[in-house]
Amino acid sequence: SAVISQKPSRDICQRGTSLTIQCQVDSQVTMMFWYRQQPGQSLTLIATANQGSEATYESGFVIDKFPISRPNLTFSTLTVSNMSPEDSSIYLCSVEEGQTYNEQFFGPGTRLTVL
Amino acid sequence: AQKVTQAQTEISVVEKEDVTLDCVYETRDTTYYLFWYKQPPSGELVFLIRRNSFDEQNEISGRYSWNFQKSTSSFNFTITASQVVDSAVYFCALKGTGGFKTIFGAGTRLFVKA
Repeated sequence: SAVISQKPSRDICQRGTSLTIQCQVDSQVTMMFWYRQQPGQSLTLIATANQGSEATYESGFVIDKFPISRPNLTFSTLTVSNMSPEDSSIYLCSVEEGQTYNEQFFGPGTRLTVL
Repeated sequence: AQKVTQAQTEISVVEKEDVTLDCVYETRDTTYYLFWYKQPPSGELVFLIRRNSFDEQNEISGRYSWNFQKSTSSFNFTITASQVVDSAVYFCALKGTGGFKTIFGAGTRLFVKA
């Protein structure tokens, strides 16, 4: 399976600032996904990022708040903009693999705390 | 619409007990995929299994086994002779063929006491 790394692994940020999370994969993948997991909750898909096109955002998530870049087939970034304490979550990067691209693997996550 | 229900919020067992985590799903797709993931306290999501909708064979992997019943739309996960290291949150997930989105259940937190 693909090896996925994320930076930073955790951060504590002040309200009103922005944080960019990086996701690096050790192989080329077509689709990358960004998820949010609020404390004690399940995973919620933020957006799907394909290389060479704009990310597709899920209902409730907007590009101004969560801009995403996908400059190549192994890398993506998610920015959490103008943060508030409600943005405190684990943010997870994910890719699909397998013959039918249905096995989904996750990075270690970025644990964000906003004060 | 697709939905995954994990009715058990928390389960607590004593080591060596068997435990079953329930998962019920809803989908209109005729072809779909079901998954189980483990999230230990460290936070990373560990892929455990994928099941295709056209393959109803049950699967066993060591102490883990999965029972897929299409008739009841269930995909339950059993841990035999549980161990403290099994303590984690377990997520059941569903992916249809109509889109790329994987839907996760709310998760079941399993506590295994020594």
